[in-house]
Amino acid sequence: DADVTQTPRNRITKTGKRIMLECSQTKGHDRMYWYRQDPGLGLRLIYYSFDVKDINKGEISDGYSVSRQAQAKFSLSLESAIPNQTALYFCATSDNRQPQETQYFGPGTRLLVL
Amino acid sequence: AQSVAQPEDQVNVAEGNPLTVKCTYSVSGNPYLFWYVQYPNRGLQFLLKYITGDNLVKGSYGFEAEFNKSQTSFHLKKPSALVSDSALYFCAVRERRNTGKLIFGQGTTLQVKP
Repeated sequence: DADVTQTPRNRITKTGKRIMLECSQTKGHDRMYWYRQDPGLGLRLIYYSFDVKDINKGEISDGYSVSRQAQAKFSLSLESAIPNQTALYFCATSDNRQPQETQYFGPGTRLLVL
Repeated sequence: AQSVAQPEDQVNVAEGNPLTVKCTYSVSGNPYLFWYVQYPNRGLQFLLKYITGDNLVKGSYGFEAEFNKSQTSFHLKKPSALVSDSALYFCAVRERRNTGKLIFGQGTTLQVKP
């Protein structure tokens, strides 16, 4: 969905480095999410934010931090990258005015930690 | 604990034949149910959702899904498969209370052969 963009699309980094993945959206949604996808495990929630002042841990937040700089921007940081953080990372947004809250996903960032 | 199961890692069908991708869930109450599709090197695209009402839900690209409350299932179906339907399919559920969080199945790869 072009309304949700992620940068970079691909990243190679070394163990111990700090990196940031960025997500921007033009959908005007209040809620934003970060997931990681691993083969055979589906998508797992890392962090989510219901508005600029509300940040919540998801299922697998250890080793990650986030920043909600504005309604439209939600960044994910790996404080000290390790190889098992190699994965495909997705940002998503949803509109809390919809009771069913369909989530809309960005194109993903493929991260390789050496 | 809440969970979603997609019992088949891969489904193989011949083009023109009907297809079914299975999903069962364990979530309290009456959840919202979703199907997403992921084409190679792309993000997740929303296909369809069940909110309430008719148990047969129609979505994008000719797909439909059947909600069965007694079996806690939400199987994805299409009457006539296309080679271009080959992709990774994810089932997801969300509780009706306003948490916003989706729980994903592990994904099923659909392979449609000419």
